[in-house]
Amino acid sequence: AQSVTQLDSQVPVFEEAPVELRCNYSSSVSVYLFWYVQYPNQGLQLLLKYLSGSTLVKGINGFEAEFNKSQTSFHLRKPSVHISDTAEYFCAVRGSQGGSEKLVFGKGTKLTVNP
Amino acid sequence: KAGVTQTPRYLIKTRGQQVTLSCSPISGHRSVSWYQQTPGQGLQFLFEYFSETQRNKGNFPGRFSGRQFSNSRSEMNVSTLELGDSALYLCASSLAMGWEDGYTFGSGTRLTVV
Repeated sequence: AQSVTQLDSQVPVFEEAPVELRCNYSSSVSVYLFWYVQYPNQGLQLLLKYLSGSTLVKGINGFEAEFNKSQTSFHLRKPSVHISDTAEYFCAVRGSQGGSEKLVFGKGTKLTVNP
Repeated sequence: KAGVTQTPRYLIKTRGQQVTLSCSPISGHRSVSWYQQTPGQGLQFLFEYFSETQRNKGNFPGRFSGRQFSNSRSEMNVSTLELGDSALYLCASSLAMGWEDGYTFGSGTRLTVV
């Protein structure tokens, strides 16, 4: 079974500063990895995904993430954040073998961008 | 194209009542999953439907049930509501089960049990 640990429940940063949101996963099989963002009173929006290939994945809104198999990590980064990036971010993992694997989410990281 | 549509957006129910939530997936998507989101437990998987059959189920009591229709629309039902069932219920659709493009989520139904 897969599991996801998001190491920081809250991350406050100033506008235009860089940010890294950490995510570690555990799985006995190959996985697909995802980052989702949730704005207040909304559903989840896919930011980016890692399926295979290049370990550096670029997503929407200037975010990117790096898959590190040896460290079982998939940290999300943005070089310069905006006020509008204030939201909750969820890392998720799904097994890549078979169709019965469910998407497992971390507890989320609340990013607050201050002026 | 239209996204995932969940109705209603907000719902207030009394303990002991039952409730039915609806989800219309993106056109062409055949898999629908349901999640419960609470501040304490985060996002927890309820079940996944594909071709009108439940293919995967989370660890929720039997009071939580669902179904999927031939047009891929899905409903979930919660009977004998408890205060702890207050949550945001999210529906997500994908082309097929385990589709590597991930899932597209609706905006959710906010259920409050009083």
